[in-house]
Amino acid sequence: GEDVEQSLFLSVREGDSSVINCTYTDSSSTYLYWYKQEPGAGLQLLTYIFSNMDMKQDQRLTVLLNKKDKHLSLRIADTQTGDSAIYFCAVTLDTGRRALTFGSGTRLQVQP
Amino acid sequence: NAGVTQTPKFRVLKTGQSMTLLCAQDMNHEYMYWYRQDPGMGLRLIHYSVGEGTTAKGEVPDGYNVSRLKKQNFLLGLESAAPSQTSVYFCASSYSDGNYNEQFFGPGTRLTVL
Repeated sequence: GEDVEQSLFLSVREGDSSVINCTYTDSSSTYLYWYKQEPGAGLQLLTYIFSNMDMKQDQRLTVLLNKKDKHLSLRIADTQTGDSAIYFCAVTLDTGRRALTFGSGTRLQVQP
Repeated sequence: NAGVTQTPKFRVLKTGQSMTLLCAQDMNHEYMYWYRQDPGMGLRLIHYSVGEGTTAKGEVPDGYNVSRLKKQNFLLGLESAAPSQTSVYFCASSYSDGNYNEQFFGPGTRLTVL
């Protein structure tokens, strides 16, 4: 399978919570990242989690990390139409080249 | 601070033509990267650089060459464009801070090869 996997699409109603999931085959990451891509733009770092943490909360965002299952999730509370974007998880699979491996991205569509 | 800039924003090539994509960053970052983004495939690393004068291959380097003659610039070249290279190309840069690797992305170049 892919090194970093995400489902391709998620649709929610405005005000609901969104949960975007990511699984990875292996990771030497000290940090794991979530990036956001708005239409026609480059990626921007949304949040990250240190690998020895299980959870990180940042305003409406909650990141959960299950290292045993190699599972990372991003929860967006009270999802707004402005949250519509593509969300990528990224991990370091090869510290030797200091590069990130990105998932395929999950397109979040928020219905008013 | 302009951050990471890319030129051009759009380009249409015919098969066999060559072109160079320019990436510039004004954050004094050591590391620079070129990715391509294709539908349903996320970002794939083409080449990267860990400092001025150095380059290295990523996951999908075939058909591309790069150069990093100045710290702030990273050039991506296509010597003989093929339709399979139709994609959106992103440049990114990052600083050296232990294991933390936040990458800063440019706005992208949309390339179509006919």
